[in-house]
Amino acid sequence: EDQVTQSPEALRLQEGESSSLNCSYTVSGLRGLFWYRQDPGKGPEFLFTLYSAGEEKEKERLKATLTKKESFLHITAPKPEDSATYLCAVQGPLTGNQFYFGTGTSLTVIP
Amino acid sequence: DAEITQSPRHKITETGRQVTLACHQTWNHNNMFWYRQDLGHGLRLIHYSYGVQDTNKGEVSDGYSVSRSNTEDLPLTLESAASSQTSVYFCASSAARGDTQYFGPGTRLTVL
Repeated sequence: EDQVTQSPEALRLQEGESSSLNCSYTVSGLRGLFWYRQDPGKGPEFLFTLYSAGEEKEKERLKATLTKKESFLHITAPKPEDSATYLCAVQGPLTGNQFYFGTGTSLTVIP
Repeated sequence: DAEITQSPRHKITETGRQVTLACHQTWNHNNMFWYRQDLGHGLRLIHYSYGVQDTNKGEVSDGYSVSRSNTEDLPLTLESAASSQTSVYFCASSAARGDTQYFGPGTRLTVL
């Protein structure tokens, strides 16, 4: 069975303190890895899609990278407004065209 | 701007009642999805549709049904609500199979 594991479950950072969130997966033949941001009481908001090992995507203070076994979401000099839950999802042959989601990392950035 | 909406945003019902949650998208996307989100679990797929008159079961489909009569709407019906179906429900849509999915704001359902 395909598995997606996100770590840590929760992360508290001081404003400006850079860090990384991890999404490890065991799906073989990955077709896509997706990162979403979810604010409390809202639906997930799309951030990035990565398709192949070595690929990187950037948006403001966020950079997503992909290897054959995991993806990292790097947050550089975070601000309080970056506080949210970050979800990753994978898509592979066993998932068909469907997404298989991790349980997320809850990020809190303290001013 | 194109969007995806869900209604109601909050619903309280009793065990055994039939409940329908609405999902409407103006993206003109062929594909629509229903997920539930519970603490300790990732988003789990309930049902999905690749087009009008097409519906498919997802990972946790027992006790739920959907129908697709037009491109814009995919209502989710709980035939006989159970306390285990207390959850937050999200609808999503995508332009093509495997494409990025865009999510609605969610419906919080409580079954008493």
